[in-house]
Amino acid sequence: QVQLVESGGDLVKPGGSLRLSCAASGFTVSDYYMSWIRQAPGKGLEWVSYITGSDSKIYYADSVKGRFTVSRDNSKNSLYLQINSLRAEDTAVYYCARSTLGLDIWGQGTMVTVSS
Amino acid sequence: EIVLTQSPGTLSLSPGERATLSCRASQSVPRSYLAWYQQKPGQAPRLLIYGASSRATGIPDRFSGSGSGTDFTLTLSRLEPEDFAVYYCQQYDRAPWTFGQGTKVEIK
Repeated sequence: QVQLVESGGDLVKPGGSLRLSCAASGFTVSDYYMSWIRQAPGKGLEWVSYITGSDSKIYYADSVKGRFTVSRDNSKNSLYLQINSLRAEDTAVYYCARSTLGLDIWGQGTMVTVSS
Repeated sequence: EIVLTQSPGTLSLSPGERATLSCRASQSVPRSYLAWYQQKPGQAPRLLIYGASSRATGIPDRFSGSGSGTDFTLTLSRLEPEDFAVYYCQQYDRAPWTFGQGTKVEIK
């Protein structure tokens, strides 16, 4: 079964760090572009980053550049998002998604709350 | 960055009616790499349309997409009760990928 499962969301103080994980099953992450998207409470979707398949090029939204780092572990068939210097405005549900023609497979999301 | 503007913000319609949602890009989406998603409360988004007009797997044919360049449209030919949700367009033609702000289709 093709599936993505995110984990790692938590309540974190401003300035803190967090590492989100996205475990894939039913397909190989290194064969696809993989994306992170976030959604603040009551707001719309915001694309955060993607990593390409074979050549592992990475792109970030300007709003997260320099603080967020995407990586992939092919041996674990997983995607990661390292978030540093967390701010209140980073509070959101973070989704990972497979990108083929559009974002065709989504995880259920993991909640990150930044608050003192 | 390609900015996507969706209209209207909210569409109030009755089951059985036709819904027309617009997505306008600030610059051309040259390969028509434009997708539409449906999101219901508490759920992840679901891909409906990719490449501006191709339905994703399992999507009913009452959903259709059209357009090119800077103007794109999602049409729901006859609203079913399960279609009341928020709809987003997204371009994946050029990084940074971007989403529209969403159109809520609500029951009148």
